[in-house]
Amino acid sequence: EAEVAQSPRYKITEKSQAVAFWCDPISGHATLYWYRQILGQGPELLVQFQDESVVDDSQLPKDRFSAERLKGVDSTLKIQPAELGDSAMYLCASSRRTAYEQYFGPGTRLTVT
Amino acid sequence: QKEVEQNSGPLSVPEGAIASLNCTYSDRVSQSFFWYRQYSGKSPELIMSIYSNGDKEDGRFTAQLNKASQYVSLLIRDSQPSDSATYLCAVTLNDYKLSFGAGTTVTVRA
Repeated sequence: EAEVAQSPRYKITEKSQAVAFWCDPISGHATLYWYRQILGQGPELLVQFQDESVVDDSQLPKDRFSAERLKGVDSTLKIQPAELGDSAMYLCASSRRTAYEQYFGPGTRLTVT
Repeated sequence: QKEVEQNSGPLSVPEGAIASLNCTYSDRVSQSFFWYRQYSGKSPELIMSIYSNGDKEDGRFTAQLNKASQYVSLLIRDSQPSDSATYLCAVTLNDYKLSFGAGTTVTVRA
């Protein structure tokens, strides 16, 4: 069964350092999503791609976060500089197209010290 | 008003009983509704999707949708200890964006 791949699974970084996360969606899925989930809350959408285009990045803190999906396949989410409040689970999901079932990768647990 | 609201829980049920989870949403034109199961420390796993009014059954899970009341529920029949998890309700807003509730934690007592 096809799965969404993410790396790394865990990341510990110091405040003010840069950090990057990678995601490879299920083959054939045109829509890719990055979410942030804080303990006790539901996932919050950071950015949504349709192929290589950004559909929604209204909740992405653009002063420190950036995301790209250059060839419309895999994607990278970057934080520079990291802050203590960025500690969370970062989830990538993909779907065949918008508003269809989304499938999540295993996530990256980020701890900023 | 939050876009998607769920019972805060936690919900504790004995093994073999029915667990009933509720979710309300604010966008009257939402068309797609999902339930995800999330084990502690893991990522959400899609367990049910429902798009039209009525009931949809899949194994021990039944999703119920009432668009007029802006209400969606999930029933877990014959609850097992392996069903102990947080259940997230998710609703499509503006025809493309998925909004999640905060989740309801279910504990099945052996």
